[in-house]
Amino acid sequence: DVKVTQSSRYLVKRTGEKVFLECVQDMDHENMFWYRQDPGLGLRLIYFSYDVKMKEKGDIPEGYSVSREKKERFSLILESASTNQTSMYLCASSLLAGRKETQYFGPGTRLLVL
Amino acid sequence: AQSVTQPDIHITVSEGASLELRCNYSYGATPYLFWYVQSPGQGLQLLLKYFSGDTLVQGIKGFEAEFKRSQSSFNLRKPSVHWSDAAEYFCAVFNAGGTSYGKLTFGQGTILTVHP
Repeated sequence: DVKVTQSSRYLVKRTGEKVFLECVQDMDHENMFWYRQDPGLGLRLIYFSYDVKMKEKGDIPEGYSVSREKKERFSLILESASTNQTSMYLCASSLLAGRKETQYFGPGTRLLVL
Repeated sequence: AQSVTQPDIHITVSEGASLELRCNYSYGATPYLFWYVQSPGQGLQLLLKYFSGDTLVQGIKGFEAEFKRSQSSFNLRKPSVHWSDAAEYFCAVFNAGGTSYGKLTFGQGTILTVHP
């Protein structure tokens, strides 16, 4: 079974803090994704990566950055957290770049920015 | 750009009743479509997917979906709902072209409540 894990289930941070959300997959997947989920908006793609050190902007990259130093790990960084970044963050991975692949999701991190 | 619409934000059914969740998509080529389910506080679990072939797709937990190109729809169905099906359901389309290859576009989600 594919396993995607996220470092925290719940986080509370203060405005202006730098926040790191970590995601790890254990199936040697090439693609990794970060989404945010908000009520009534579904999931929106923030960033994705199809290889180590590669990244592509998604639909809502503003205020976020990412890092992929190792194939199994994809980090989402909020450089200076703001209250409008309070949300549920979901990481996903899929096997091969350039192919139609199913995405597998982690359990999510619920972030509250005060 | 592709888009997915789930017209029903919230649906309530009685346990044992049949269920249909609607999904309409906008996509310029043959779509690759997914249904995911999210239980409270959990991540998304794949229910089923359509890539090609038979337009009636069977999934896990007794769910099925039918791809109708003429109606740009991919509705999810279950003949008899169980209380454990209460969750939020998401339809998504895979982007198979251009610079956004590999991206999923999701609908807004449909929350399913099941009455005993």
